[in-house]
Amino acid sequence: GDSVTQMEGPVTLSEEAFLTINCTYTATGYPSLFWYVQYPGEGLQLLLKATKADDKGSNKGFEATYRKETTSFHLEKGSVQVSDSAVYFCALSTPGRGGSNYKLTFGKGTLLTVNP
Amino acid sequence: KAGVTQTPRYLIKTRGQQVTLSCSPISGHRSVSWYQQTPGQGLQFLFEYFSETQRNKGNFPGRFSGRQFSNSRSEMNVSTLELGDSALYLCASSLAGGPRDTQYFGPGTRLTVL
Repeated sequence: GDSVTQMEGPVTLSEEAFLTINCTYTATGYPSLFWYVQYPGEGLQLLLKATKADDKGSNKGFEATYRKETTSFHLEKGSVQVSDSAVYFCALSTPGRGGSNYKLTFGKGTLLTVNP
Repeated sequence: KAGVTQTPRYLIKTRGQQVTLSCSPISGHRSVSWYQQTPGQGLQFLFEYFSETQRNKGNFPGRFSGRQFSNSRSEMNVSTLELGDSALYLCASSLAGGPRDTQYFGPGTRLTVL
């Protein structure tokens, strides 16, 4: 079945460091790919998404490129801030019964802590 | 536009009881999905509703059920609660649940079963 594998961390960085969180997937067809972020005590917020191969999603300095050849969607940010401390989830959309609706399949999440 | 709202935010129940959680989607969104989040299993899909019909269901026992109303609001019910049902239950809404639709999540309901 469809699945997502991401580095589980935790990842601890100093402010202004470069961030990479790896995400690879297994899926049939051509799924859409997402990164969600979860701050303590909150629900998930969409960070960015890409819906087809070679698309680059970007938001708030974060970027990820949909690489079909390597089945990857790695999250990057050039300079992290303390406020980026959160759990990051990679996800793909997978078709449900009948193919007319889609659910999200998530990775295990990566805890990022950024120290001042 | 108001986001997805979930009520209540916190619940404490005892084993054997039942519980109902509520979700109000973003205005105009017709698809509502539910997910369970636990430290051990991560985020797992429960079910999805569209136009009052369940279109998709995850691998959960029949004790977990849901419904959707004509205004797209949704409820999920868990009967005969077990300790392992303690989790954060997240509701997400999207326009139609299609392959490129973004699912927007609510803050969740934290259920504790004692």
